[in-house]
Amino acid sequence: EDQVTQSPEALRLQEGESSSLNCSYTVSGLRGLFWYRQDPGKGPEFLFTLYSAGEEKEKERLKATLTKKESFLHITAPKPEDSATYLCAVQARSNYQLIWGAGTKLIIKP
Amino acid sequence: GAVVSQHPSRVICKSGTSVKIECRSLDFQATTMFWYRQFPKQSLMLMATSNEGSKATYEQGVEKDKFLINHASLTLSTLTVTSAHPEDSSFYICSARRYVGRGNNEQFFGPGTRLTVL
Repeated sequence: EDQVTQSPEALRLQEGESSSLNCSYTVSGLRGLFWYRQDPGKGPEFLFTLYSAGEEKEKERLKATLTKKESFLHITAPKPEDSATYLCAVQARSNYQLIWGAGTKLIIKP
Repeated sequence: GAVVSQHPSRVICKSGTSVKIECRSLDFQATTMFWYRQFPKQSLMLMATSNEGSKATYEQGVEKDKFLINHASLTLSTLTVTSAHPEDSSFYICSARRYVGRGNNEQFFGPGTRLTVL
């Protein structure tokens, strides 16, 4: 069964304290892995799509990496405005539906 | 980037009335759009897949006669909640799929619609 597990559920960091969020997945043939950011009361904001193991993408303080079993979202020197829930989803080759993780709530304290 | 809009952002209605929510892809064409529902502190729950020019595909447990979906153009999908009841109160979010070549695609989300049924 296709499945996505995100850890930790919540992460509290001090401003400037770098860390990583994990997204572990099992899927019968990966088409793509997606990272989104969601702020309270808003729709998810697209961050990255990764398609193959070894691929990396960066955007400002965020860097996403992908292996055959998991993806990491690295946050370097975060700022309070990076506080949000980060969602990971995978898409199997068999169809285009997204299988979602439960998300990691990130809180950056000033 | 790709932009998806949703209207209205908030709606309050009386029990028994119908509410229509619009989802538009503003700068790309989307043959497929999706409708999600999200309860507080929970992840997204896919309700249905909307395909331009054909009937929507509903997920198990979602009443197709209650949640009417129309995808009449490549940039517009609508969700109508018919005879709304308080238990339909939720945050509804649409997304639109954009193909980026080689069988790959990205999905962009609207800002969501908060529905409150009194």
